[in-house]
Amino acid sequence: GQNIDQPTEMTATEGAIVQINCTYQTSGFNGLFWYQQHAGEAPTFLSYNVLDGLEEKGRFSSFLSRSKGYSYLLLKELQMKDSASYLCAVRSQTGANNLFFGTGTRLTVIP
Amino acid sequence: DGGITQSPKYLFRKEGQNVTLSCEQNLNHDAMYWYRQDPGQGLRLIYYSQIVNDFQKGDIAEGYSVSREKKESFPLTVTSAQKNPTAFYLCASTTIRQGSYGYTFGSGTRLTVV
Repeated sequence: GQNIDQPTEMTATEGAIVQINCTYQTSGFNGLFWYQQHAGEAPTFLSYNVLDGLEEKGRFSSFLSRSKGYSYLLLKELQMKDSASYLCAVRSQTGANNLFFGTGTRLTVIP
Repeated sequence: DGGITQSPKYLFRKEGQNVTLSCEQNLNHDAMYWYRQDPGQGLRLIYYSQIVNDFQKGDIAEGYSVSREKKESFPLTVTSAQKNPTAFYLCASTTIRQGSYGYTFGSGTRLTVV
């Protein structure tokens, strides 16, 4: 089966840096995704990691360690609009390449 | 513009009624999915389909049914057997060989039992 853990809630200050962690246990790992979801809206794609290391995309970076079953999403220069839920999702070859989602981390950015 | 459309945005169901949620995509994607999202919980997979006229149960299929008669369409019926249907429902699609692509999501349907 799949097991994906993320913190439920985090709070950070505008302009600061925040790191959202995700640990997972899965068979047939085939990639990890981060999505952003504002309340009542569809998740939108942020990043993808399949090899170990850091992927950087503007203010957002994502890191993966496959041996540790660990990923993090790093958000820099936080803006108020970054207040949202951040979903970690793992793709498994044994699950017809379906994505399995964590519960999401609700980030609140305060002035 | 290509995309995935869910309708309606809000839906109210009376006890004992079946309701159908629509999901249409013009992305030429092979695979389509239905997820349910409850407050404080992640997305849970209801059904998925990787090819026309074929679909598979996800983790919480009881009380739901689907069809995939056309590549573009994957409607979800919430039957009266689903005892707690109030939730946010998301439809998604992707290519079979996803690579770094992942899923494209619709904007969701919020279903409320009245």
